[in-house]
Amino acid sequence: DAGITQSPRHKVTETGTPVTLRCHQTENHRYMYWYRQDPGHGLRLIHYSYGVKDTDKGEVSDGYSVSRSKTEDFLLTLESATSSQTSVYFCAISDLGIERETQYFGPGTRLLVL
Amino acid sequence: SQQGEEDPQALSIQEGENATMNCSYKTSINNLQWYRQNSGRGLVHLILIRSNEREKHSGRLRVTLDTSKKSSSLLITASRAADTASYFCATYPFGAGSYQLTFGKGTKLSVIP
Repeated sequence: DAGITQSPRHKVTETGTPVTLRCHQTENHRYMYWYRQDPGHGLRLIHYSYGVKDTDKGEVSDGYSVSRSKTEDFLLTLESATSSQTSVYFCAISDLGIERETQYFGPGTRLLVL
Repeated sequence: SQQGEEDPQALSIQEGENATMNCSYKTSINNLQWYRQNSGRGLVHLILIRSNEREKHSGRLRVTLDTSKKSSSLLITASRAADTASYFCATYPFGAGSYQLTFGKGTKLSVIP
């Protein structure tokens, strides 16, 4: 998984609680992404980062916030989890270079919101 | 919104047969990529084809791109049981300032030994 780890790998939480997912990379790649994957929807981009402290919204950003204080870490926070945020969350990275548009994915975090 | 749409949604073939998956997209692109996802795992990049390319090969994979029809196909030749996975196309839009990919919903391929 290209030097990308996600933690936790599985989490069960209750509606209304805050949740933070962590993505850690050892590749020193500039760009980092958070996606969610749901049956019938494929992967949808939540937020992405193009550098330390530089982030922007994706297609489904409502209810999520992100932070990137170091190149290697990209945090995704659900401020107040809802059942609709039950999903599998994937982090991805990419960098400048010949095929800079290629993304490398982490193993995923399964989140269940009860 | 979904940019790429794969067809078929599911495909079941015998080992040794060829598997063909198609992807259609809506807007102009810089490149199109194919990814594989084994059950319970993250996505793995397979191949990237740029808008000025028509065909590209990588091992048993052959990808074609028809920008006039806004479509691409992924051919896996001499399939193996290990090819069982979901396959996604992803488009990188033309002129995008950030490296955002838009994924389709995927084709689930089952290769029967």
